[in-house]
Amino acid sequence: DTAVSQTPKYLVTQMGNDKSIKCEQNLGHDTMYWYKQDSKKFLKIMFSYNNKELIINETVPNRFSPKSPDKAHLNLHINSLELGDSAVYFCASSYEETQYFGPGTRLLVL
Amino acid sequence: TQLLEQSPQFLSIQEGENLTVYCNSSSVFSSLQWYRQEPGEGPVLLVTVVTGGEVKKLKRLTFQFGDARKDSSLHITAAQPGDTGLYLCAGAKAYNTDKLIFGTGTRLQVFP
Repeated sequence: DTAVSQTPKYLVTQMGNDKSIKCEQNLGHDTMYWYKQDSKKFLKIMFSYNNKELIINETVPNRFSPKSPDKAHLNLHINSLELGDSAVYFCASSYEETQYFGPGTRLLVL
Repeated sequence: TQLLEQSPQFLSIQEGENLTVYCNSSSVFSSLQWYRQEPGEGPVLLVTVVTGGEVKKLKRLTFQFGDARKDSSLHITAAQPGDTGLYLCAGAKAYNTDKLIFGTGTRLQVFP
């Protein structure tokens, strides 16, 4: 009965690789998000989708490409990974002003 | 920028003590939320305040939204080890309530 789930939970990869993180929510929410939390625990929005349409696209390198195949899923693909991409990536969905976060994906780029 | 500064950044206290965490900005927000994040998990919403001067209580936690809607505080009475975690405030603007601007975070450790 997980509300917002992400896979994988941990991701260790080499610089230059391409990787994807998947997110699914079973709450029936229309809006989903990707956030990045850095080593200082600062949480910053990257993207937001509403009913499969991109509505927020913050200043994020175009190596990051979100994809929403349906309103319950929002995946994040990252090309040419860099050391600075190491962080925890959180998916979230929202109803009115409440956001429900997934457990996070810990990405380490070596 | 619409930065939300939290203070203190770190707080280590003994069980039973009281504490207050502050969240300050130069911007006005239509609403402000407080989240708690435990290690290895995502943030979980504690409360939303929407009216300037509003005070909300959640058991031992008291939340206040500043009159000018630029700042907020979280007061915990008689802290317990279970209160340990990262506390994040987050503000929303009236024209874009989907976009939350998160504060810099306060890491609280409560020792038994």
